Amino acid sequence: QKEVEQNSGPLSVPEGAIASLNCTYSDRGSQSFFWYRQYSGKSPELIMSIYSNGDKEDGRFTAQLNKASQYVSLLIRDSQPSDSATYLCAVTFTGANNLFFGTGTRLTVIP
Amino acid sequence: KAGVTQTPRYLIKTRGQQVTLSCSPISGHRSVSWYQQTPGQGLQFLFEYFSETQRNKGNFPGRFSGRQFSNSRSEMNVSTLELGDSALYLCASSPGGVDSPLHFGNGTRLTVT
Repeated sequence: QKEVEQNSGPLSVPEGAIASLNCTYSDRGSQSFFWYRQYSGKSPELIMSIYSNGDKEDGRFTAQLNKASQYVSLLIRDSQPSDSATYLCAVTFTGANNLFFGTGTRLTVIP
Repeated sequence: KAGVTQTPRYLIKTRGQQVTLSCSPISGHRSVSWYQQTPGQGLQFLFEYFSETQRNKGNFPGRFSGRQFSNSRSEMNVSTLELGDSALYLCASSPGGVDSPLHFGNGTRLTVT
């Protein structure tokens, strides 16, 4: 069974804090991992991709991957109200050419 | 570079009708994927086309079909519409490699009454 699981939230953090979003997946052989942001009424937009164990930083965003634990996370530093959105974790599974998405975590940043 | 373009943006149909949705990928992208998004189920994979061939198909009934043209543009068709088909239909394109991220269009909001 190909599964990508996220805590649906909502997750509320104060402005300026660190938001931590988590995702687990079922296939130990997965190789590609993505985080998308989706504002209400809009389509998903790519924030980060990560393929190797460890951390990958891009501005205020850091993706963390631990393949042994089948766990990928997204940290948002200095959270801003404009970061309020649903964050989707997406994973490719062995033998499949399509991305599998989690149901998303809704983040609210409180001014 | 222009993004992924989906038309129409909104559709209202009645049960039993059929509908065709269109997607133009980013120039140079050969893979087009279609997803259905509903509040309860999240993003569900419908199918993926690469160079006019369907490479992958999700667990949707045969009423859902698609095709891709030689210019990589894609269409999705839903026949005999049901109320449960009301959803946001998202098209996404990529260069085609398994590690390539998807780039989404703005979607088509389908309402079936």
